[in-house]
Amino acid sequence: DGGITQSPKYLFRKEGQNVTLSCEQNLNHDAMYWYRQDPGQGLRLIYYSQIVNDFQKGDIAEGYSVSREKKESFPLTVTSAQKNPTAFYLCASKPGTGIRQPQHFGDGTRLSIL
Amino acid sequence: GESVGLHLPTLSVQEGDNSIINCAYSNSASDYFIWYKQESGKGPQFIIDIRSNMDKRQGQRVTVLLNKTVKHLSLQIAATQPGDSAVYFCAEIYSGGYQKVTFGTGTKLQVIP
Repeated sequence: DGGITQSPKYLFRKEGQNVTLSCEQNLNHDAMYWYRQDPGQGLRLIYYSQIVNDFQKGDIAEGYSVSREKKESFPLTVTSAQKNPTAFYLCASKPGTGIRQPQHFGDGTRLSIL
Repeated sequence: GESVGLHLPTLSVQEGDNSIINCAYSNSASDYFIWYKQESGKGPQFIIDIRSNMDKRQGQRVTVLLNKTVKHLSLQIAATQPGDSAVYFCAEIYSGGYQKVTFGTGTKLQVIP
Protein backbone atom coordinates (compact mmCIF):
# COMPACT_ATOMS: atom_id res chain seq x y z
CA ASP A 1 0.00 0.00 0.00
CA GLY A 2 1.26 3.46 -0.84
CA GLY A 3 1.48 6.02 1.88
CA ILE A 4 3.51 8.34 4.06
CA THR A 5 5.54 6.91 6.92
CA GLN A 6 6.68 9.09 9.78
CA SER A 7 9.08 7.89 12.43
CA PRO A 8 9.46 7.72 15.30
CA LYS A 9 5.92 8.02 16.64
CA TYR A 10 7.25 9.52 19.91
CA LEU A 11 10.49 11.45 20.39
CA PHE A 12 12.08 13.14 23.36
CA ARG A 13 14.56 15.97 23.18
CA LYS A 14 17.07 17.05 25.79
CA GLU A 15 18.19 20.65 26.28
CA GLY A 16 20.57 21.79 23.55
CA GLN A 17 19.98 18.74 21.40
CA ASN A 18 19.02 18.58 17.74
CA VAL A 19 16.59 15.85 16.75
CA THR A 20 15.55 14.64 13.31
CA LEU A 21 12.08 13.47 12.34
CA SER A 22 11.80 11.11 9.40
CA CYS A 23 9.21 11.31 6.61
CA GLU A 24 9.18 8.83 3.74
CA GLN A 25 6.57 8.51 0.99
CA ASN A 26 6.14 5.89 -1.71
CA LEU A 27 3.38 7.75 -3.55
CA ASN A 28 5.79 9.23 -6.12
CA HIS A 29 4.66 12.70 -5.05
CA ASP A 30 6.73 15.74 -5.99
CA ALA A 31 5.57 18.09 -3.23
CA MET A 32 6.18 17.47 0.47
CA TYR A 33 5.33 19.53 3.55
CA TRP A 34 6.01 19.73 7.29
CA TYR A 35 3.41 21.07 9.69
CA ARG A 36 3.29 21.65 13.40
CA GLN A 37 0.03 20.99 15.30
CA ASP A 38 -0.59 22.47 18.75
CA PRO A 39 -3.75 21.96 20.83
CA GLY A 40 -6.58 24.25 19.74
CA GLN A 41 -4.68 25.61 16.74
CA GLY A 42 -4.79 24.95 13.03
CA LEU A 43 -1.83 23.30 11.32
CA ARG A 44 1.05 25.69 10.76
CA LEU A 45 3.47 25.25 7.88
CA ILE A 46 7.15 24.86 8.78
CA TYR A 47 8.80 24.03 5.44
CA TYR A 48 7.75 22.74 2.06
CA SER A 49 9.44 21.30 -1.01
CA GLN A 50 7.98 21.24 -4.47
CA ILE A 51 10.80 19.29 -6.08
CA VAL A 52 13.98 17.41 -5.17
CA ASN A 53 16.89 19.61 -4.01
CA ASP A 54 14.61 22.58 -3.45
CA PHE A 55 12.66 23.71 -0.38
CA GLN A 56 11.10 26.88 0.96
CA LYS A 57 10.38 28.30 4.41
CA GLY A 58 6.84 28.26 5.65
CA ASP A 59 5.25 30.48 8.27
CA ILE A 60 7.20 29.19 11.30
CA ALA A 61 10.58 27.99 9.95
CA GLU A 62 12.76 29.48 12.70
CA GLY A 63 14.53 26.75 14.68
CA TYR A 64 13.92 24.09 12.04
CA SER A 65 15.84 22.79 9.02
CA VAL A 66 15.05 20.33 6.22
CA SER A 67 16.66 18.59 3.27
CA ARG A 68 15.23 17.04 0.12
CA GLU A 69 17.97 14.91 -1.40
CA LYS A 70 15.59 12.21 -2.59
CA LYS A 71 12.05 12.45 -3.94
CA GLU A 72 10.68 10.05 -1.35
CA SER A 73 12.32 11.57 1.73
CA PHE A 74 11.91 14.93 3.51
CA PRO A 75 13.48 14.82 7.01
CA LEU A 76 12.89 17.65 9.48
CA THR A 77 15.52 18.64 12.06
CA VAL A 78 14.34 20.45 15.18
CA THR A 79 17.35 22.41 16.34
CA SER A 80 18.24 23.68 19.80
CA ALA A 81 17.26 27.14 18.55
CA GLN A 82 13.59 26.07 18.63
CA LYS A 83 12.69 27.04 22.20
CA ASN A 84 9.23 25.52 22.27
CA PRO A 85 9.48 22.30 20.27
CA THR A 86 6.82 20.30 22.12
CA ALA A 87 4.13 19.60 19.51
CA PHE A 88 2.70 17.04 17.12
CA TYR A 89 4.55 17.15 13.80
CA LEU A 90 2.83 16.13 10.58
CA CYS A 91 4.38 15.41 7.20
CA ALA A 92 2.28 15.62 4.06
CA SER A 93 2.70 15.18 0.34
CA LYS A 94 0.78 15.75 -2.84
CA PRO A 95 1.37 14.79 -6.48
CA GLY A 96 2.34 18.25 -7.69
CA THR A 97 1.28 21.84 -7.76
CA GLY A 98 -2.05 21.29 -9.49
CA ILE A 99 -4.79 23.09 -7.65
CA ARG A 100 -7.26 20.28 -7.14
CA GLN A 101 -4.99 18.00 -5.17
CA PRO A 102 -5.46 17.44 -1.45
CA GLN A 103 -2.40 16.77 0.66
CA HIS A 104 -1.98 13.27 2.08
CA PHE A 105 -0.72 13.08 5.65
CA GLY A 106 1.40 10.70 7.68
CA ASP A 107 0.42 9.68 11.22
CA GLY A 108 2.69 12.18 12.90
CA THR A 109 5.53 12.33 15.42
CA ARG A 110 4.92 13.63 18.93
CA LEU A 111 7.97 15.52 20.21
CA SER A 112 8.39 16.28 23.89
CA ILE A 113 11.08 17.94 26.00
CA LEU A 114 12.85 15.87 28.66
CA GLY B 1 -2.38 13.73 18.08
CA GLU B 2 -3.93 12.71 21.37
CA SER B 3 -4.20 16.30 22.55
CA VAL B 4 -5.45 17.85 19.34
CA GLY B 5 -9.04 17.56 20.54
CA LEU B 6 -8.45 19.63 23.66
CA HIS B 7 -9.75 23.21 23.68
CA LEU B 8 -11.91 22.56 20.61
CA PRO B 9 -15.65 23.08 20.24
CA THR B 10 -17.44 19.75 20.61
CA LEU B 11 -20.50 18.50 18.78
CA SER B 12 -22.28 15.59 20.44
CA VAL B 13 -24.62 13.61 18.20
CA GLN B 14 -26.73 10.53 18.77
CA GLU B 15 -25.77 7.55 16.63
CA GLY B 16 -27.94 7.49 13.51
CA ASP B 17 -28.63 11.21 13.52
CA ASN B 18 -27.18 13.65 10.98
CA SER B 19 -24.22 15.86 11.93
CA ILE B 20 -23.44 19.33 10.65
CA ILE B 21 -19.99 20.77 11.22
CA ASN B 22 -19.31 24.38 10.29
CA CYS B 23 -16.25 26.32 9.23
CA ALA B 24 -15.74 30.02 8.59
CA TYR B 25 -12.91 30.75 6.19
CA SER B 26 -10.94 33.94 5.94
CA ASN B 27 -9.84 34.66 2.39
CA SER B 28 -12.52 35.59 -0.16
CA ALA B 29 -9.99 34.72 -2.91
CA SER B 30 -9.68 31.08 -1.77
CA ASP B 31 -10.76 28.83 -4.61
CA TYR B 32 -10.52 25.29 -3.29
CA PHE B 33 -11.69 23.81 0.02
CA ILE B 34 -11.10 20.50 1.75
CA TRP B 35 -12.54 18.73 4.78
CA TYR B 36 -10.25 16.46 6.80
CA LYS B 37 -10.99 13.97 9.58
CA GLN B 38 -8.39 13.37 12.29
CA GLU B 39 -8.71 10.48 14.71
CA SER B 40 -6.84 10.45 18.00
CA GLY B 41 -3.12 9.79 17.50
CA LYS B 42 -3.41 9.77 13.71
CA GLY B 43 -2.78 12.14 10.83
CA PRO B 44 -5.61 13.93 9.01
CA GLN B 45 -7.52 11.96 6.37
CA PHE B 46 -9.08 13.56 3.31
CA ILE B 47 -12.88 13.36 3.31
CA ILE B 48 -14.20 15.58 0.53
CA ASP B 49 -13.28 18.71 -1.43
CA ILE B 50 -15.08 21.44 -3.34
CA ARG B 51 -14.06 24.13 -5.80
CA SER B 52 -15.22 27.70 -5.45
CA ASN B 53 -17.34 27.46 -8.62
CA MET B 54 -19.61 24.95 -6.86
CA ASP B 55 -21.92 25.37 -3.88
CA LYS B 56 -22.55 21.72 -3.06
CA ARG B 57 -20.77 18.40 -3.48
CA GLN B 58 -21.83 14.98 -2.27
CA GLY B 59 -19.82 11.94 -1.35
CA GLN B 60 -20.67 8.74 0.41
CA ARG B 61 -22.70 9.83 3.49
CA VAL B 62 -21.06 13.27 3.38
CA THR B 63 -22.07 16.54 1.75
CA VAL B 64 -20.10 19.78 1.66
CA LEU B 65 -21.87 23.11 1.23
CA LEU B 66 -20.07 26.31 0.29
CA ASN B 67 -21.51 29.78 0.80
CA LYS B 68 -19.06 32.28 -0.65
CA THR B 69 -21.21 35.27 0.25
CA VAL B 70 -20.60 34.75 3.95
CA LYS B 71 -17.36 32.74 3.60
CA HIS B 72 -18.86 29.64 5.19
CA LEU B 73 -18.30 25.96 4.63
CA SER B 74 -20.22 23.09 6.19
CA LEU B 75 -19.84 19.32 6.32
CA GLN B 76 -22.93 17.21 6.70
CA ILE B 77 -22.58 13.58 7.76
CA ALA B 78 -25.65 11.42 7.30
CA ALA B 79 -26.55 8.64 9.73
CA THR B 80 -23.60 9.33 12.00
CA GLN B 81 -21.77 6.24 13.26
CA PRO B 82 -19.42 5.70 16.23
CA GLY B 83 -16.52 5.45 13.76
CA ASP B 84 -17.20 9.06 12.76
CA SER B 85 -15.98 10.27 16.17
CA ALA B 86 -12.94 12.44 15.45
CA VAL B 87 -11.79 16.01 14.99
CA TYR B 88 -12.92 17.55 11.70
CA PHE B 89 -11.28 20.60 10.19
CA CYS B 90 -11.52 22.52 6.97
CA ALA B 91 -8.75 23.84 4.78
CA GLU B 92 -8.94 26.74 2.34
CA ILE B 93 -6.54 27.00 -0.58
CA TYR B 94 -5.68 30.08 -2.53
CA SER B 95 -4.17 29.14 -5.88
CA GLY B 96 -2.01 32.23 -6.19
CA GLY B 97 1.69 31.80 -5.43
CA TYR B 98 2.54 28.35 -4.10
CA GLN B 99 -1.10 27.57 -3.24
CA LYS B 100 -1.18 28.66 0.38
CA VAL B 101 -3.26 26.36 2.54
CA THR B 102 -4.92 27.69 5.69
CA PHE B 103 -6.28 25.11 8.11
CA GLY B 104 -9.13 25.66 10.54
CA THR B 105 -8.79 24.77 14.21
CA GLY B 106 -11.36 21.99 14.04
CA THR B 107 -14.48 20.65 15.73
CA LYS B 108 -14.56 17.51 17.81
CA LEU B 109 -17.44 15.20 16.89
CA GLN B 110 -18.58 12.86 19.65
CA VAL B 111 -21.05 10.15 18.65
CA ILE B 112 -23.23 8.85 21.45
CA PRO B 113 -24.10 5.16 20.95
